[in-house]
Amino acid sequence: QQQVKQSPQSLIVQKGGISIINCAYENTAFDYFPWYQQFPGKGPALLIAIRPDVSEKKEGRFTISFNKSAKQFSLHIMDSQPGDSATYFCAAANFGNEKLTFGTGTRLTIIP
Amino acid sequence: NAGVMQNPRHLVRRRGQEARLRCSPMKGHSHVYWYRQLPEEGLKFMVYLQKENIIDESGMPKERFSAEFPKEGPSILRIQQVVRGDSAAYFCASSPPPGMGYEQYFGPGTRLTVT
Repeated sequence: QQQVKQSPQSLIVQKGGISIINCAYENTAFDYFPWYQQFPGKGPALLIAIRPDVSEKKEGRFTISFNKSAKQFSLHIMDSQPGDSATYFCAAANFGNEKLTFGTGTRLTIIP
Repeated sequence: NAGVMQNPRHLVRRRGQEARLRCSPMKGHSHVYWYRQLPEEGLKFMVYLQKENIIDESGMPKERFSAEFPKEGPSILRIQQVVRGDSAAYFCASSPPPGMGYEQYFGPGTRLTVT
């Protein structure tokens, strides 16, 4: 049973635009939600993470929005740049049982 | 400040051979996780270990796969009698001890090809 659903599967955004990737989870015990960025041939790199006690977290051009009642969270990349072209994975974990459950990934392409 | 190290980066094995994948966690990290990524898919949890102890192996296949994290040395993921379906990228992640953060940092992965 897939516990974290991610959409879209692929996304093309113009340079300078806003990239938005969405995730929904089922397990209400999840209380830690990180986003990872992965370039081809590389390992996932932790980008930003949020706990459910806040509805939004911003780090530079990256923002996580979190809706606990809807069991959804999203990644917003402002002023998207060609260097942001990568695959992005959302994940979730239950603090105390720290294994990450990943979404299926979004391949983001930023075009000039 | 070295990150998570994995070796080898690429490993080719014939069907029936054994594969050994090694992972050294970040300095100060005492917990190690192994994940498997099939082509064009997300990462799937396999096993969670701390020194000399398996915490959670709920994602490990029941046969042919084993993992350890000895008191000294790297964590080892061992796959016996490999089959073509084992071809994947295997990633190791590490995290600090409980109470000091729960971020997981990933290594560069080992890409296993079974011929």
